[in-house]
Amino acid sequence: GQNIDQPTEMTATEGAIVQINCTYQTSGFNGLFWYQQHAGEAPTFLSYNVLDGLEEKGRFSSFLSRSKGYSYLLLKELQMKDSASYLCAVVDSNYQLIWGAGTKLIIKP
Amino acid sequence: ETGVTQTPRHLVMGMTNKKSLKCEQHLGHNAMYWYKQSAKKPLELMFVYSLEERVENNSVPSRFSPECPNSSHLFLHLHTLQPEDSALYLCASSQSDRDNSGPQHFGDGTRLSIL
Repeated sequence: GQNIDQPTEMTATEGAIVQINCTYQTSGFNGLFWYQQHAGEAPTFLSYNVLDGLEEKGRFSSFLSRSKGYSYLLLKELQMKDSASYLCAVVDSNYQLIWGAGTKLIIKP
Repeated sequence: ETGVTQTPRHLVMGMTNKKSLKCEQHLGHNAMYWYKQSAKKPLELMFVYSLEERVENNSVPSRFSPECPNSSHLFLHLHTLQPEDSALYLCASSQSDRDNSGPQHFGDGTRLSIL
């Protein structure tokens, strides 16, 4: 079967750095997305990785290792508004999007 | 106009009622999606309309019926729902080739409660 694993919940401190991991076992790989979802709101697109390496976009970076079936989202200089769920999703060999259950990130002052 | 608009935001209905969820996208995208989101579970793709073709998920019960009259509008018709259908229903759109590499833009969802 196809599986995306993310931690259910993480806690971090304002101003710090946090890394949210995502491991996947899918039938093929054609890209990986990260989305942010605040409570009661729509998921919003953060990043897309299809090649190995690190993609940096402001305070957020996303890393991919296809050989390890692994990605992480790195959030720097955490702000209270970063409290949200972070969803990992993989495009499989049939170009279908497989979603993880999301990681709820709690930021404490 | 925001990118993807869903109405209503909240819906409470009995199991014998018939209702419809509406989604409208103002982004000029060529694909639209319905998802079910339950607490602590992955997003479940229900239906996709891509390049005016409907891609059906065979595991979706027939009490859910999608309609896509044009590339900007998507409906989900509901009838004789069950309590386990209570969830957040999200609509999304994307400008996507068949490789699904385009990011999806989501609406805020309809919170559905079945009594």
